[in-house]
Amino acid sequence: SQQGEEDPQALSIQEGENATMNCSYKTSINNLQWYRQNSGRGLVHLILIRSNEREKHSGRLRVTLDTSKKSSSLLITASRAADTASYFCATVTLYGGATNKLIFGTGTLLAVQP
Amino acid sequence: DTGVSQDPRHKITKRGQNVTFRCDPISEHNRLYWYRQTLGQGPEFLTYFQNEAQLEKSRLLSDRFSAERPKGSFSTLEIQRTEQGDSAMYLCASSLTEAAPQHFGDGTRLSIL
Repeated sequence: SQQGEEDPQALSIQEGENATMNCSYKTSINNLQWYRQNSGRGLVHLILIRSNEREKHSGRLRVTLDTSKKSSSLLITASRAADTASYFCATVTLYGGATNKLIFGTGTLLAVQP
Repeated sequence: DTGVSQDPRHKITKRGQNVTFRCDPISEHNRLYWYRQTLGQGPEFLTYFQNEAQLEKSRLLSDRFSAERPKGSFSTLEIQRTEQGDSAMYLCASSLTEAAPQHFGDGTRLSIL
């Protein structure tokens, strides 16, 4: 079953604009990860944020995590047409003997218009 | 880095037939995962191997599904007596350590006629 919801389900922006995607989850986590998926392809890992971190940057990506609200956001700055893809958040819970399986959200489909 | 390889990329079969998929993880990764993804949804966890040991199976993995990882290298996922509801993308991923990001293959898309 899905861990939570992502918002919005779909987002269309112009090249150069920023894109923000939100993710909510249900249980306590060890870390939260964001993945990108191009149509018909596998998922590519973008960034990982641990439960004791509040913000993380990687290139044009900025991720925030609010464990009190069980939510995260992904910001892509200065978007490019090549950023067009589906974006998924995924949580990992290692407490209570749980394994490193990823529990995914429902995804945001981002379209960047040239 | 040759990445995670899955074979075949596409499989079309008639309802009731058996199918088998193969996953070759990144060579030094001892952790291997199978996920299933239906159209418009995020992937859902099926099963997890650490080396050759299958350590977790999802309730989604009915008795028609079986996965193996002999010698802790490649893995196979077999579906027996396929049903329409088995149509999905089957994704394999591997990781080096427990907390490391997972590397995904491009998946096997299964279509049941």
